[in-house]
Amino acid sequence: ETGVTQTPRHLVMGMTNKKSLKCEQHLGHNAMYWYKQSAKKPLELMFVYSLEERVENNSVPSRFSPECPNSSHLFLHLHTLQPEDSALYLCASSQQLIGTEFPSVFGPGTRLTVT
Amino acid sequence: AQKITQTQPGMFVQEKEAVTLDCTYDTSDPSYGLFWYKQPSSGEMIFLIYQGSYDQQNATEGRYSLNFQKARKSANLVISASQLGDSAMYFCAMSEISSGSARQLTFGSGTQLTVLP
Repeated sequence: ETGVTQTPRHLVMGMTNKKSLKCEQHLGHNAMYWYKQSAKKPLELMFVYSLEERVENNSVPSRFSPECPNSSHLFLHLHTLQPEDSALYLCASSQQLIGTEFPSVFGPGTRLTVT
Repeated sequence: AQKITQTQPGMFVQEKEAVTLDCTYDTSDPSYGLFWYKQPSSGEMIFLIYQGSYDQQNATEGRYSLNFQKARKSANLVISASQLGDSAMYFCAMSEISSGSARQLTFGSGTQLTVLP
């Protein structure tokens, strides 16, 4: 157990479904992230919530929408996905301080398959 | 241009030997951090080692050391005395600290390391 948990671990959904991925961190960190890992591609940062600021990768389609109700919880809402969205979705958290660097701690990931 | 380049898609090493995984980076930010992560087949990303751009000495963590050559913009990972459990995907990543409060990691494409018995 790394201190960052993700549910579900595996998800199969049709293109018309709506589902949500959940991430929870128990480390007292102040920043949370969603990454997408597709086969044979580098990890791609999708969204960052940090110090009440949200940063998003402009290439992420609107069918992905994040929600961060507090510093410990992060959701990724999915709707009308495409087969190419099948990937491993990794959540991470870190402690961010100005001028200081701390490593991100990752969760185990959700393996998503879109049929 | 890619910010993080890992030129070795796959590497093999004999158990108990040392291995070097290459990583080069590209940034104009004077303040940045370099990370190495290990990803076993289970999928979880495990933090291994960190090097700050202003650190004078190469980082070490147990059997892991980072060969940081700032002028060459390289941050190679050295694993000494390889073990079978070291077989995994290894990712180099960079965070550009001056770019703002929201730190973002940029990852390389990874190197698949296989340790042979």
